[in-house]
Amino acid sequence: DTAVSQTPKYLVTQMGNDKSIKCEQNLGHDTMYWYKQDSKKFLKIMFSYNNKELIINETVPNRFSPKSPDKAHLNLHINSLELGDSAVYFCASSQVRAAGELFFGEGSRLTVL
Amino acid sequence: SQQGEEDPQALSIQEGENATMNCSYKTSINNLQWYRQNSGRGLVHLILIRSNEREKHSGRLRVTLDTSKKSSSLLITASRAADTASYFCAVLYMEYGNKLVFGAGTILRVKS
Repeated sequence: DTAVSQTPKYLVTQMGNDKSIKCEQNLGHDTMYWYKQDSKKFLKIMFSYNNKELIINETVPNRFSPKSPDKAHLNLHINSLELGDSAVYFCASSQVRAAGELFFGEGSRLTVL
Repeated sequence: SQQGEEDPQALSIQEGENATMNCSYKTSINNLQWYRQNSGRGLVHLILIRSNEREKHSGRLRVTLDTSKKSSSLLITASRAADTASYFCAVLYMEYGNKLVFGAGTILRVKS
């Protein structure tokens, strides 16, 4: 009965390909996030949605496009993958817009060859 | 950079000892949170302390906040091998639009 689930857990792909990562939360939260964790474990926010509305859009290449079909789902689509996109991508959700605790998924490790 | 800074970067202790990790931040905050990340897993929330609070406890965890020094510390008492993980502080800055900014983390290894 996973609270925040993301798929796939592992993704290995070639440069130039397009890929998607899906995220779903069953906690009834209004806000969802995408974070990127690099090889040095540094965690950086990419996007945040509140009730399907984009509220945080960090300086991320426009090859990255989030989509929230409903408040329980937040997907991340990446076009024209580059080597530097290799990282672990975490989805998270919270009840109150960032003021409370975040619940994280287990991460999706993307490797671009 | 908005990112908070943590020290030490890595800490190795014996089971039963206490572990202290520190976090410093830049400007006024709404709250500060601590998270744990086991290897290959997602982050798990440990404790949240608000800007008007000075100390909070949760089981073997004790968090302090000193807003005058813009710093926080996480103390884990009587550590166990299962406490081996990376620990991150995350700061909710008042002026950065409800954006939670994570520090670089402290890697804690507890030897049995």
